[in-house]
Amino acid sequence: QVQLEESGPGLMQPSETLSLTCTVSGFSLSNNGVGWVRQPLGKGLVWMGTIWAAGSTNYNSAVQSRLSISRDTSKSQVFLKMNSLQPEDTGTYYCARQSRVYYYFDYWGQGVMVTVSS
Amino acid sequence: AIVLNQSPSSIIASQGEKVTITCRANSSLSSNYLHWYQQKPGAFPKLVIYSTSYRASGVPFRFSGSGSGTSYSFTISRVEAEDVATYYCQQGSSNPPTFGAGTKLELK
Repeated sequence: QVQLEESGPGLMQPSETLSLTCTVSGFSLSNNGVGWVRQPLGKGLVWMGTIWAAGSTNYNSAVQSRLSISRDTSKSQVFLKMNSLQPEDTGTYYCARQSRVYYYFDYWGQGVMVTVSS
Repeated sequence: AIVLNQSPSSIIASQGEKVTITCRANSSLSSNYLHWYQQKPGAFPKLVIYSTSYRASGVPFRFSGSGSGTSYSFTISRVEAEDVATYYCQQGSSNPPTFGAGTKLELK
């Protein structure tokens, strides 16, 4: 069955670089897109970026200058790297499989909570 | 970016009651690109309705969606205790994909 699982550090210092990994199973990254969605504590969902089956990427302009999404298809992993972290980057980070047709997110990981604090 | 305005922001309903959530976009969407998610407390979001009116796999028949253009709705025909959650609409019509602010459903 389709599964996604995020992993990464829970606590970061301001100005550091965040590195998260999304390990997927039950589908191929060569045929599917995976997006990252952030949710500040107690708030709504914000799309951050997506890597598509062909390897191309789209980013939210609000974080584009700080964000990089890549993948290793042989390991079924998608990576998020975001530099210059600030306290407002605190939240739960989800990876989710994204439909290439109508752009909905049909399977989600459990999420990883990231706190940015000195 | 397309802004999605959800209303109401919260609902308190009794079991068995019908509830409807509205999602209005600030520009017209193709109905194929409007989707709804359910997020239970402490859990990840789950796709409930895609392309305005199609139930995702395993979703009960009491969940439905409709709409076109800039106005969409999500309905639970008879609320059950397990439906307590926050519901979000999302558009994929134009980049960036955006979500509504959410509607929190609680039971009376």
